[in-house]
Amino acid sequence: DVKVTQSSRYLVKRTGEKVFLECVQDMDHENMFWYRQDPGLGLRLIYFSYDVKMKEKGDIPEGYSVSREKKERFSLILESASTNQTSMYLCASSFRQGAGQPQHFGDGTRLSIL
Amino acid sequence: AQSVTQPDIHITVSEGASLELRCNYSYGATPYLFWYVQSPGQGLQLLLKYFSGDTLVQGIKGFEAEFKRSQSSFNLRKPSVHWSDAAEYFCAVGPQGQAGTALIFGKGTTLSVSS
Repeated sequence: DVKVTQSSRYLVKRTGEKVFLECVQDMDHENMFWYRQDPGLGLRLIYFSYDVKMKEKGDIPEGYSVSREKKERFSLILESASTNQTSMYLCASSFRQGAGQPQHFGDGTRLSIL
Repeated sequence: AQSVTQPDIHITVSEGASLELRCNYSYGATPYLFWYVQSPGQGLQLLLKYFSGDTLVQGIKGFEAEFKRSQSSFNLRKPSVHWSDAAEYFCAVGPQGQAGTALIFGKGTTLSVSS
């Protein structure tokens, strides 16, 4: 089975802190994604990466950056955390080639910014 | 613009009753279509997917979905709901032949199961 592991299930940080959310997948997937999930808004794409050191902005990249130095690891960085970034963050991965490749998700990190 | 609409925010079904969750999409060509389920506090789990062939697809946990091109729909069904099916369900669409791009998700439908 595909395993996507997010480093923390719950995280509490303070405003202004630099926050790192880590995601690791074990299936040699080329694509990796970061979403945030808020009630009534569904999943919104923050950033995705289709290869090492490559990244693409999603729908809501403001206030976030990402890093992909190794194929299996994709990090989301909140440069200066703010209370409106309190949310559930979901990481996903998928193969890049081939028809109908689904995304596989981690269990999420519930982040609270105080 | 590409989009996915799940018209029902919340549905309540009696245990043992049948279920249909609606999904409509807007897309320029035949897309890949997916249904995911999210239990409380968990990530999303793939239920089923469609990308070609038979328009009725079977998934895990007894779910099925039917792709109707003329209606731009991909509704999820289950003949008899169990209490453990209570969760949030997401429909998603992906581009055909454009690997390496992200899926577009609907806003989700929350399913409650009454006894």
